[in-house]
Amino acid sequence: VELVESGGGLVQPGGSLRLSCAASGFTFTRDWMSWVRQAPGKGLEWVANVKQDGSQKYYADSVKGRFTISRDNAKNSLYLQMISLRGEDTAVYYCARDGLAAALTDWGRGTLVTVAS
Amino acid sequence: QSALTQPASVSGSPGQSITISCTGTSSDVGNYNLVSWYQHHPGKAPKLMIYEVTNRPSGVPDRFSGSKSGNTASLIIFGLQPEDEADYYCSSYTTMSTQVFGGGTKLTVL
Repeated sequence: VELVESGGGLVQPGGSLRLSCAASGFTFTRDWMSWVRQAPGKGLEWVANVKQDGSQKYYADSVKGRFTISRDNAKNSLYLQMISLRGEDTAVYYCARDGLAAALTDWGRGTLVTVAS
Repeated sequence: QSALTQPASVSGSPGQSITISCTGTSSDVGNYNLVSWYQHHPGKAPKLMIYEVTNRPSGVPDRFSGSKSGNTASLIIFGLQPEDEADYYCSSYTTMSTQVFGGGTKLTVL
């Protein structure tokens, strides 16, 4: 199993960014997928997840209305569209596979998003 | 969506056993047997250690054990080894169909 995130970088407050996660080594269409983040010096924070067919999506209150999770099963890819970014969104963002009963069985190495002027 | 409550730090000597608690509410830990535990070495990807309160994924040593009583789950590590030094996080499914993590516990092997 391999999950590789990309798309992180420096963005100004109020700006937008789209993260991608390329998945391989498992049947992507069988599992829910999640995004989890870790701000500098802080703990892990669950961000959002999406059902196998994209029909159900759930979000943490801290990102609801600003972030959109999506997936392209034809490309084995997961996405996180982020708008209206704030300083508190600065974090390493991890892509993760919900492989077992609400447990995140596989994780990527993360991509750093820095929101600053 | 308040974070689950974990102790900030625990420590133990090699060979000893330690317990990390994870306290939630009746909307998360107390309502489902869907508590997971993750080991995180800084700079690396987190690793699933326990799922569904007590189950260990393939490859996780049986020194790692989980339990739950009411709104509190626990991770027990028997026979501490130096490589166990890491940050540990619990998480739970919630009644809002979301997940919530604990604040994390730094384990120091003395």
